[in-house]
Amino acid sequence: AQKVTQAQTEISVVEKEDVTLDCVYETRDTTYYLFWYKQPPSGELVFLIRRNSFDEQNEISGRYSWNFQKSTSSFNFTITASQVVDSAVYFCALSDLLVFGTGTRLLVSP
Amino acid sequence: DAGVIQSPRHEVTEMGQEVTLRCKPISGHNSLFWYRQTMMRGLELLIYFNNNVPIDDSGMPEDRFSAKMPNASFSTLKIQPSEPRDSAVYFCASIIQGISEAFFGQGTRLTVV
Repeated sequence: AQKVTQAQTEISVVEKEDVTLDCVYETRDTTYYLFWYKQPPSGELVFLIRRNSFDEQNEISGRYSWNFQKSTSSFNFTITASQVVDSAVYFCALSDLLVFGTGTRLLVSP
Repeated sequence: DAGVIQSPRHEVTEMGQEVTLRCKPISGHNSLFWYRQTMMRGLELLIYFNNNVPIDDSGMPEDRFSAKMPNASFSTLKIQPSEPRDSAVYFCASIIQGISEAFFGQGTRLTVV
């Protein structure tokens, strides 16, 4: 069975703070993909990153970075110098069933 | 490509009525997912099709829910009879397994009164 756990229900930070969103997954598959999606208040689901299980290199995209550690089955997401526009619910997901975690609501205040 | 297209965007219906939600996946994508999102339960996977065949429907809440994918370009999710607790946003997503990210439709907001 596949499972994704996002233990942080809600995080509140002040603008310019760094924040890390945790994601822990369970799967018996040896090949799998992990995803992060953002859901802003408008409701759509916005793709952020896809990572396959064979690629453990960390990835950085602007203020966003991801840390994939197979040894701990974690795929954490860090936003550096957060901005108000980062306020959203962030979901971690696992293929092939594309199972989602419960999401972490990030509130960034000015 | 216009992306994943869902219709209708909003649906208000009375308890007991049949509701049909529609989804057109992105051309060439081989897998399709239906999700239900509520405040209480988050984003729940209802059913997953691969090459038009239902692979996992363990998330379908009960017999009132059914989903079909008659061809690669169309899928429906039907609720009959509908109940107030079915009120939620229903998302459809399509993907090329192992190659692409999942693309989501805009969702259908269903309200059952």
